[in-house]
Amino acid sequence: AQKVTQAQTEISVVEKEDVTLDCVYETRDTTYYLFWYKQPPSGELVFLIRRNSFDEQNEISGRYSWNFQKSTSSFNFTITASQVVDSAVYFCALTSDNAGNMLTFGGGTRLMVKP
Amino acid sequence: NAGVMQNPRHLVRRRGQEARLRCSPMKGHSHVYWYRQLPEEGLKFMVYLQKENIIDESGMPKERFSAEFPKEGPSILRIQQVVRGDSAAYFCASSLLGQGPSYEQYFGPGTRLTVT
Repeated sequence: AQKVTQAQTEISVVEKEDVTLDCVYETRDTTYYLFWYKQPPSGELVFLIRRNSFDEQNEISGRYSWNFQKSTSSFNFTITASQVVDSAVYFCALTSDNAGNMLTFGGGTRLMVKP
Repeated sequence: NAGVMQNPRHLVRRRGQEARLRCSPMKGHSHVYWYRQLPEEGLKFMVYLQKENIIDESGMPKERFSAEFPKEGPSILRIQQVVRGDSAAYFCASSLLGQGPSYEQYFGPGTRLTVT
């Protein structure tokens, strides 16, 4: 069985602070895929990034960066210089070639960025 | 480039009525997935379909819920005799391929079902 744990249910920061959202996953498969999605107050799900298990290179996209550590089964997401528009619920998700294409989601982390 | 379309966006049903949720995948996508998000919870997988086939329905409740993805037209998630516990946001996603490096699921805006 696959599992994704987002231990932080809610984080509150002040604008311009850096913030890291934690994601720990469990899977028995050797080939798997990790994702981050953003759910703003309007409710839709916005795809942010996909990381394949065979590619451990970290990624940076503007103010967003992702740290993939296979040794600790973690895929953490950092927002640098946070902005009010970053306020949302962020979900980490996992699937694998043996998972029947089912995405397993973590419980989500609600990020509140205050001005 | 139209994304995944879902309608209606909001649906109110009385207990015992039927709810029909529609999903049109992104152009060229032939894989459709349905997820349910209960209030203050993460998304839970319900069913995975390809055209005219149910591939994985391991997350679907055994009774009252059904899904289809016909050769023509949108995918439909049908809930018969709705109960208050069915109140949730239902998200549809689609992907171009089923697995591998090119596999990404793109989500629709969701349908928020309220059962009164």
